[in-house]
Amino acid sequence: EVQLVQSGAEVKKPGESLRISCKTSGYDFGDFWIGWARQLPGKGLEWMGIVDLPDSEIKYSPSFEGQVTISADRSINTAYLHWSTLRASDTGMYFCARQPGVVGDTVRDYWGQGTLVTVSS
Amino acid sequence: DIVMTQSPDSLAVSLGERATINCKSSQSVLYNPKNKNYLSWYQQKPGQPPKLLIYWASTRGSGVPERFSGSGSGTDFTLTISSLQAEDVAIYYCQQYYTTLWTFGQGTKVEIK
Repeated sequence: EVQLVQSGAEVKKPGESLRISCKTSGYDFGDFWIGWARQLPGKGLEWMGIVDLPDSEIKYSPSFEGQVTISADRSINTAYLHWSTLRASDTGMYFCARQPGVVGDTVRDYWGQGTLVTVSS
Repeated sequence: DIVMTQSPDSLAVSLGERATINCKSSQSVLYNPKNKNYLSWYQQKPGQPPKLLIYWASTRGSGVPERFSGSGSGTDFTLTISSLQAEDVAIYYCQQYYTTLWTFGQGTKVEIK
């Protein structure tokens, strides 16, 4: 069974750094990309970028280029989202998602449960 | 970026009635060599990650009830809930995957009238 399990909720101060994780299991980690999505309080979904494991590339949506760093550790099947300097405006829920895949005669999507990040002084 | 625009932002429908949500993309998401529209619909309930309802613009995902249907091609798409049930109260998003840098519509909140 494919599973994506994210790290727990975080409370940080502005200016601090943070790395959250998305640990995967149940499939070959290197065969699919992992993406990150942000959801600000009461707002919609925004796609931040992906770590494309088959092509060994990292791609960012324009709004997030230079704001966060996406990475992965193939040895432990885990993807990461990192901020070097948090701002209050980073407060929100962050989801990881695996590239959808064909299972039998249908397409399945896989998401983590979400990590709530709160940035407040 | 491909910009996705949904309408309306919210709608209230009586139980058993039809709900229709529209989505327009800023450029075509039809990939001609495969004749497939790279457009999905997601449902999100509070505190949960999104759930895939429809992919290729019109194919229902695994376990998705038949009352959900998708249509459209190119730049204009529609999600229809033929007979609204209480459990369908949620926010619905269209999403393009024509590029790996997905983009979502702003969401449509569906409530019971």
